[in-house]
Amino acid sequence: QKEVEQDPGPLSVPEGAIVSLNCTYSNSAFQYFMWYRQYSRKGPELLMYTYSSGNKEDGRFTAQVDKSSKYISLFIRDSQPSDSATYLCAMSHSGYALNFGKGTSLLVTP
Amino acid sequence: DGGITQSPKYLFRKEGQNVTLSCEQNLNHDAMYWYRQDPGQGLRLIYYSQIVNDFQKGDIAEGYSVSREKKESFPLTVTSAQKNPTAFYLCASTMGPFTEAFFGQGTRLTVV
Repeated sequence: QKEVEQDPGPLSVPEGAIVSLNCTYSNSAFQYFMWYRQYSRKGPELLMYTYSSGNKEDGRFTAQVDKSSKYISLFIRDSQPSDSATYLCAMSHSGYALNFGKGTSLLVTP
Repeated sequence: DGGITQSPKYLFRKEGQNVTLSCEQNLNHDAMYWYRQDPGQGLRLIYYSQIVNDFQKGDIAEGYSVSREKKESFPLTVTSAQKNPTAFYLCASTMGPFTEAFFGQGTRLTVV
């Protein structure tokens, strides 16, 4: 079993929809959780990060961590065509090396 | 502008040849990383370096080598021992532990 599991999709939603992206993990030592967005043939860019269980909000994005269930989510409100990308969850226990999910491909249609 | 520069963007290698991918950062970050990305596989860690003159193997280090002689530079050599080197290679850096990882734009290596 991989340490980080993420459904690769693809996920297709209409513009304005709420998007829910999820990852599960097996290593209870993970304590730093991140979401990255990657456009085709580009390097990933950080969207959100959090250390603790609960919700963290930044504009249209909300990151949610449930350590008891080993489950993290990213919600995107009022989705836009420009949100079409691959979303990667990542987590770390050492603070250095990141363990990535496979990424979920999202398409937001006008 | 501060950032991470990877070169070249595209690289072609003949089987049996070694090739070196360049990664330079001007963010004054202590730690640097190399990840490999294959379709449908996410990013996998090859090597990372927390400080100059020190580096650790990641999950898939076999067939790769690195050096960290300068804080700004972390080149990756893909050796002929790497059985399936065709992939997208990403370099990253962080200021320290539990800080944001900044990524370069990647090098796409193809073995011909």
